[in-house]
Amino acid sequence: AQSVTQPDIHITVSEGASLELRCNYSYGATPYLFWYVQSPGQGLQLLLKYFSGDTLVQGIKGFEAEFKRSQSSFNLRKPSVHWSDAAEYFCATGRGGGGNKLTFGTGTQLKVEL
Amino acid sequence: KAGVTQTPRYLIKTRGQQVTLSCSPISGHRSVSWYQQTPGQGLQFLFEYFSETQRNKGNFPGRFSGRQFSNSRSEMNVSTLELGDSALYLCASSLQTEQETQYFGPGTRLLVL
Repeated sequence: AQSVTQPDIHITVSEGASLELRCNYSYGATPYLFWYVQSPGQGLQLLLKYFSGDTLVQGIKGFEAEFKRSQSSFNLRKPSVHWSDAAEYFCATGRGGGGNKLTFGTGTQLKVEL
Repeated sequence: KAGVTQTPRYLIKTRGQQVTLSCSPISGHRSVSWYQQTPGQGLQFLFEYFSETQRNKGNFPGRFSGRQFSNSRSEMNVSTLELGDSALYLCASSLQTEQETQYFGPGTRLLVL
């Protein structure tokens, strides 16, 4: 069964600093990978997705992620964090043939220090 | 284009009652999926409906059910509520059913007392 691991439960960064949130997946074939962000009391907003092709994916709000098959990773990065980026970030995976079922990681809570 | 809407946004019920939550997908989207989010279990897939048919189902008891109407709107029902059903219920819609990008609604927060 496919699974996603987000090793960091909480991360604190200073505003203006760079950010990397880790995500590792478990799946034999190339998975479909997503990053979503959730602000308190809100639903999930899609940041970016990887289906195939270029392994460096650009998303909204200045985020990017890189798919590394050799490391089974899909880490999310941002060169300079803004205070408004404070939220919970979820990595998710899915795969064709299984409908639209997404399997989510446990999430990483990002705190931004001013 | 309007996003995914869910009603109601907040709900308080007591144990043993049943509840129905509603989801209106983005116009033109034919697939609706439901997820449960709790602090202990995180985000878990409940089921997906496409063209009024259940396409996929997660590992939840039969108390959790859903349906989809011809206009793609979906409802989920939880019967005989338990305290552990307290959660944020998220609905997501997508154009088709085969690993399309899913767009989430704001959720319905259910509190079971």
